Amino acid sequence: KAGVTQTPRYLIKTRGQQVTLSCSPISGHRSVSWYQQTPGQGLQFLFEYFSETQRNKGNFPGRFSGRQFSNSRSEMNVSTLELGDSALYLCASSETGGVGYTFGSGTRLTVV
Amino acid sequence: DQQVKQNSPSLSVQEGRISILNCDYTNSMFDYFLWYKKYPAEGPTFLISISSIKDKNEDGRFTVFLNKSAKHLSLHIVPSQPGDSAVYFCAASVGSSNTGKLIFGQGTTLQVKP
Repeated sequence: KAGVTQTPRYLIKTRGQQVTLSCSPISGHRSVSWYQQTPGQGLQFLFEYFSETQRNKGNFPGRFSGRQFSNSRSEMNVSTLELGDSALYLCASSETGGVGYTFGSGTRLTVV
Repeated sequence: DQQVKQNSPSLSVQEGRISILNCDYTNSMFDYFLWYKKYPAEGPTFLISISSIKDKNEDGRFTVFLNKSAKHLSLHIVPSQPGDSAVYFCAASVGSSNTGKLIFGQGTTLQVKP
């Protein structure tokens, strides 16, 4: 079956703009989580959605938001982009959450 | 506050030998631990996990050991193969396996030399 699909793969944005990243989980998976990976901070949890509800949230400012649709697809949005938001954003899905996550290949966001 | 730490940024071993990757944690509430492998330009791939009620879990060439009193876990790869060369992340969660929130270590880059 198809894996976790993230679009776009690469993105360049200007400071102050906003961006929306998309994630299509594996068919049947209802939990979608988002992570930010940077060289300095490693992989950091952003939030998790399960059946369209945010179930967990990491320690990121309110500029970072997300949502999940009825078909389990998820989007994350970052408003008022800062240079420090440049990172690889990874989405992961699982049937119920947690163990055995399947990650997508990520969206590389560069803020200039 | 780094709750999960991988103190060795890199490790180099010879093909066929054992690779041992280490991970320490500080939060005693963690009750589920996982290891992921990551190749460049790909997302992390789940390798193996262990519940805090166990001290060892094996899957083929991969074995994870958990020492709760020392708040330490390790991943053993035997025998190591060149295809194992990748970045390895340990991760921990609170609330057993049914949570989407994982706390990751910084990763250890493993190089297996032919």
